[in-house]
Parts: sequence; structure tokens; C-alpha cells
Amino acid sequence: EVQLVESGGGLVQPGESLRLSCSASGFTFSTYSMNWVRQAPGKGLEWVSYITSSSGTINYADSVKGRFTISRDNAKNSLYLQMSNLRDEDTAVYYCARYWDSFDYWGQGTLVTVSS
Amino acid sequence: ETVLTQSPATLSVSPGERAALSCRASQSVSSKLAWYQQKPGQAPRLLIYGASTRATGIPARFSGSGSGTEFTLTISSLQSEDFAVYYCHQYNNWPLTFGPGTKVDIK
Repeated sequence: EVQLVESGGGLVQPGESLRLSCSASGFTFSTYSMNWVRQAPGKGLEWVSYITSSSGTINYADSVKGRFTISRDNAKNSLYLQMSNLRDEDTAVYYCARYWDSFDYWGQGTLVTVSS
Repeated sequence: ETVLTQSPATLSVSPGERAALSCRASQSVSSKLAWYQQKPGQAPRLLIYGASTRATGIPARFSGSGSGTEFTLTISSLQSEDFAVYYCHQYNNWPLTFGPGTKVDIK
């Protein structure tokens, strides 16, 4: 069974940093591209970042470019999102999602709250 | 950026009735269009990918159609568990984008 479990969310102040993790199981993680998608409270879905299986291609939404860094460790079956210089508008549930002709599996999400 | 427009914003339907949800893209996305269902407090669930292919385990009452810029998700006979928010998503052009969602609620 495919499982994606996010962790690392929490309450931070504007300008601070946070690192999210996504632990994958039930499939060969090293062969799939992965993504981070977020959802602000009561709002729709927003794609954040994408990374290919070998980390050879990485893309970011303009809203996070230069502040967020996606990475992965295939030996640990883990995906990461390093978030720096956080803003109020980054408050959201962050989901990791497997990419295979769309986002076929999603984790349950981890809540990041940016507030002073 | 490819903007996805979904209509209607809210669709009120009685159980057993048919529902048709629309998604329009500001530029062609070929057939790289997916539909997701999201219930309160849950992660999105993939329903349809490639515009018309049902994902694993998705009931046959869900169907997708369209290509290019015009797409439709049809639910042939609404069941109680189908009342939710539905998002379309294009993965043909960067950045990847989602529509704003259509809420299907009970009439």
C-alpha cells in the first residue's frame, strides 16, 4: 500500500525557517517524481514544487522561488521542503504528492502556520 | 501561466441525479488534465487523469471528457459520499495549476 506521511509543520514567526519531510513507503520511491502542494485555510490547491526521481529537474512556483528548496534522499525514501523567510501567506496545509501522469497519491498533509 | 476556470462554483444536486462539472483552460493542455475530489479534513483523491481515464478504484459513475481547453467531469448518479469539492488540474504546462474548485452539495 502506497503511503506518504508528512511531518515538520508547526507555528513559526514571519521570517523564520522550517523544514518539512515526507516519508514514503509501499512503492519504489527512487523511480517517481514528487511534488509539494499546499492549501491555505478555506482555499484551493496550489502547486509548490516538483522534483524528478534523480533530482535532475526541479521546478518551483513563483510564489516560493528563492525561498523554498525541494530535495530528496532516495536511500531514505524521503522528500523534503526547506522553507525560509516564511511569510503570513505561506500559512497552509502542505501535502506531498507522488507524480505519475498527475498526482496519483497524496499524504494527509502537515499544517504550517506563520504568525507573529 | 495556464489559468483553469471551473463552473459552476457551487452545484446543488439531489441524490441520484446527474452532475456535470466544467473546467476551461486559458491555453491548450492537450489531454493532461486531472480531476480530484476533496472532502473536509481530507487530502485530495485522484478521480480522473489523462482527461478521461479513471484512477484505480474509482467507480464507473465518474467519467471525464474533453481535450485542449474544454473538459467535463460527469457523475452519472450522485451518491451521498460524492458530495465534496472537485478540482481540475493541468500538468501539461509549467507552472502546474489547479482550478478554484466546484463544490457539489445536497439540494
